[in-house]
This record gives sequence, C-alpha cells and structure tokens, in this order.
Amino acid sequence: RKEVEQDPGPFNVPEGATVAFNCTYSNSASQSFFWYRQDCRKEPKLLMSVYSSGNEDGRFTAQLNRASQYISLLIRDSKLSDSATYLCVVVTSGTYKYIFGTGTRLKVLA
Amino acid sequence: NAGVMQNPRHLVRRRGQEARLRCSPMKGHSHVYWYRQLPEEGLKFMVYLQKENIIDESGMPKERFSAEFPKEGPSILRIQQVVRGDSAAYFCASRLPTGVNTEAFFGQGTRLTVV
Repeated sequence: RKEVEQDPGPFNVPEGATVAFNCTYSNSASQSFFWYRQDCRKEPKLLMSVYSSGNEDGRFTAQLNRASQYISLLIRDSKLSDSATYLCVVVTSGTYKYIFGTGTRLKVLA
Repeated sequence: NAGVMQNPRHLVRRRGQEARLRCSPMKGHSHVYWYRQLPEEGLKFMVYLQKENIIDESGMPKERFSAEFPKEGPSILRIQQVVRGDSAAYFCASRLPTGVNTEAFFGQGTRLTVV
C-alpha cells in the first residue's frame, strides 16, 4: 500500500460547483498534514495546513479524520483559476519526511 | 528574504555526463528535501538533509545519485553517468528546523534533459 494515496482525477467541474478531494495515508504516526497546489510545470505551493479540528480559508475547507486516516479538501464556488493539481502531504513525526500524494487534477470549466 | 533558489533552471546533458543541481534554501532554513517529478506524475521523495547530515535517503537510487548539504553553501544533488531515464524536473524544498507543523517552501525546479 502506498504511504499516501489520491485519486488522480481529472475532476471536471463547472464554474460555481463544489468539489471535494480525499487523500488517505497509511502511517498512523503521521502528525502533520498539508494541501499544496501545483500549476502545470511550476513548483508546488502551500494551499493550507490541515488541523485536527478542521480549518477553513475562504472557499477552501480542510478536514482530518484520524480514525479513518484520511484528509479532505473541499472547494466551494469553483473558479476557473482553481484549475490545478492538488497534492496532499503527510509528515511523520520523528522522521519529518514530507511525503506527497501523486495529486488530483482539477479542471474547472466555463 | 529570497525564496528557495535552484540553479540551473534548465540543464541539458549527454548520456554518460554528470549533472549537478544546486539548491539554496531560504534564510534560516536548515532542512532540505529533494524530489523528482516525471512528466504527468507526482513528486517522488528522494532525500532529506540537514546541514552536514543525510537524514533519510530512502528515495535515492542506490547508484549514480548522491546528495550533500554542507555547512556553507547550497545543497547539491549529483547524478553521475546520466541516462535518458533521469530526464525529469528536480525540485528542492526547505523548511525551518522547528516543529512538525512547518511549511516546506519549494524552489522553481531544475529541468534536466538527457540527450
């Protein structure tokens, strides 16, 4: 089983739609979680951290489910500019190794 | 405060040559990660270094690849005797030494093409 797994997509959604991605991880000792965004041929950039209690930043909501070992990202009111690949990142305490999922591609259609 | 700087941005090497990729972390960042990304694929962890120490190199191929992060100067990823399959984008990321919940910042990457 991969350490971090994501559905590669693509998710094709119309503007204004709500879309959600999940990311599962295998190591129960994982302590930190992030969502990064990567545009074509560019470097990944932090979208948001994922806190145990869940957190929201504008149209974006991140949640963590430790019991089932997954994190999620919800995007409301999708914009064309949201089209990108979304990468989840899991960090294991002690090793501090940042493990990336393979990414979920989102295409927001006009 | 400049971001993570990688150079060169693009590198072309013939098969059998050596490739040296440089990564200067952000100021105050003593932790560096290297990742490889093939076209249409995700980021594959290669190696995690602190200054003068390799912490985790479980993602590095056993042969031809090496990495260092000296006390002074940039982190270097070195690929000897390159082959066509080494063609990829190589990203480095750096972070502060404090805590687990610390964001990693990425450089713009080096795109290596082996001809």
